[in-house]
Amino acid sequence: GQQLNQSPQSMFIQEGEDVSMNCTSSSIFNTWLWYKQDPGEGPVLLIALYKAGELTSNGRLTAQFGITRKDSFLNISASIPSDVGIYFCAGLNTGGFKTIFGAGTRLFVKA
Amino acid sequence: NAGVMQNPRHLVRRRGQEARLRCSPMKGHSHVYWYRQLPEEGLKFMVYLQKENIIDESGMPKERFSAEFPKEGPSILRIQQVVRGDSAAYFCASSRSGSLETQYFGPGTRLLVL
Repeated sequence: GQQLNQSPQSMFIQEGEDVSMNCTSSSIFNTWLWYKQDPGEGPVLLIALYKAGELTSNGRLTAQFGITRKDSFLNISASIPSDVGIYFCAGLNTGGFKTIFGAGTRLFVKA
Repeated sequence: NAGVMQNPRHLVRRRGQEARLRCSPMKGHSHVYWYRQLPEEGLKFMVYLQKENIIDESGMPKERFSAEFPKEGPSILRIQQVVRGDSAAYFCASSRSGSLETQYFGPGTRLLVL
């Protein structure tokens, strides 16, 4: 079945630093999604990408849909303590019901 | 506007007992999805329901697991004769249109099987 490889597994950074994480797949997706999960809560959608090559921003977050449609990355600029959490990439294909999730990148921010 | 609600938030069961997890979708949402998350892993799709109908249950184990979304009331994920391997966080999500990118997740139910 389709799998997503997300890296890095975890990151320990200083407040103010920029962060970059990525997701790769062995197969093509038509849509890439990035979610954030806070401890004890459900995932919250951050950014959705619908077109190969698309670059989309949401505040300090920027995500790109890879040209090959097999990868995506998420950047967070000027990190702050509340950025702590688990970031998941997810892919799905048009008409499909199942969102495929990566294993997550755990972000720790030191003030 | 209330978000997606799940209860209980935490559930402890002994092996062999039944677990019932409830999910109330957001107001106006008629599509519900259930996911399971094991520690240190991403969410895995289990089942997709639209009021009174199961649309896709390909991610749900064939035995002991069942899901329903009645005309009135919350969606229920039922696990019979639980085993230790069922311990996980179970999330439901809802959407208005069935378009997956607009789904909203609940806070999850954390099931622990002793």
